[in-house]
Amino acid sequence: GAGVSQSPSNKVTEKGKDVELRCDPISGHTALYWYRQSLGQGLEFLIYFQGNSAPDKSGLPSDRFSAERTGGSVSTLTIQRTQQEDSAVYLCASSLGTRLGSQYFGPGTRLLVL
Amino acid sequence: GQQLNQSPQSMFIQEGEDVSMNCTSSSIFNTWLWYKQDPGEGPVLLIALYKAGELTSNGRLTAQFGITRKDSFLNISASIPSDVGIYFCAGQLGGNTPLVFGKGTRLSVIA
Repeated sequence: GAGVSQSPSNKVTEKGKDVELRCDPISGHTALYWYRQSLGQGLEFLIYFQGNSAPDKSGLPSDRFSAERTGGSVSTLTIQRTQQEDSAVYLCASSLGTRLGSQYFGPGTRLLVL
Repeated sequence: GQQLNQSPQSMFIQEGEDVSMNCTSSSIFNTWLWYKQDPGEGPVLLIALYKAGELTSNGRLTAQFGITRKDSFLNISASIPSDVGIYFCAGQLGGNTPLVFGKGTRLSVIA
């Protein structure tokens, strides 16, 4: 597609349930990033994939969070046993993976944990 | 984690006025970027700066990469109602590294 797409747009879940968030990057972009934006805050880095390299997971807040990227394209962010503090907007970005490759963001998934 | 200091937090201006906002960091970045976020949307890239001292324009927007590599500013000239939104600065160490974001400047334009 023309831009980064994410699904679902909105997700409401109960505390303790698992959720999966999907990101489709821009075609040809080798780098993919997940960020989290809490209400009224800036974006917080979660995890980063570049080509076939091992992902940089240094931003994941707990072991309940994981992500994978299949075939170097689509990525799924999974949150297990969701907590209320997980409520936020989860944003995905992709880039060419080069020095001058700027990151382009999807519209985000708004997650609400009740 | 590391975060940039962005100011002001919010601004209320009259249509037609110029706007200036800035970001500072205690550490060096090799790339500075400015994004705008509208409600319910993801951030949209406005300007990317790759070289210390660089001054770049995009229409009514002008941004500069500070010579110390620890700061950047964004100016908007002759503001219009569609400039309303939240502006974020972001720093990046290298081309394949995550962005570090400021907390944003919320701009309101009064017609």
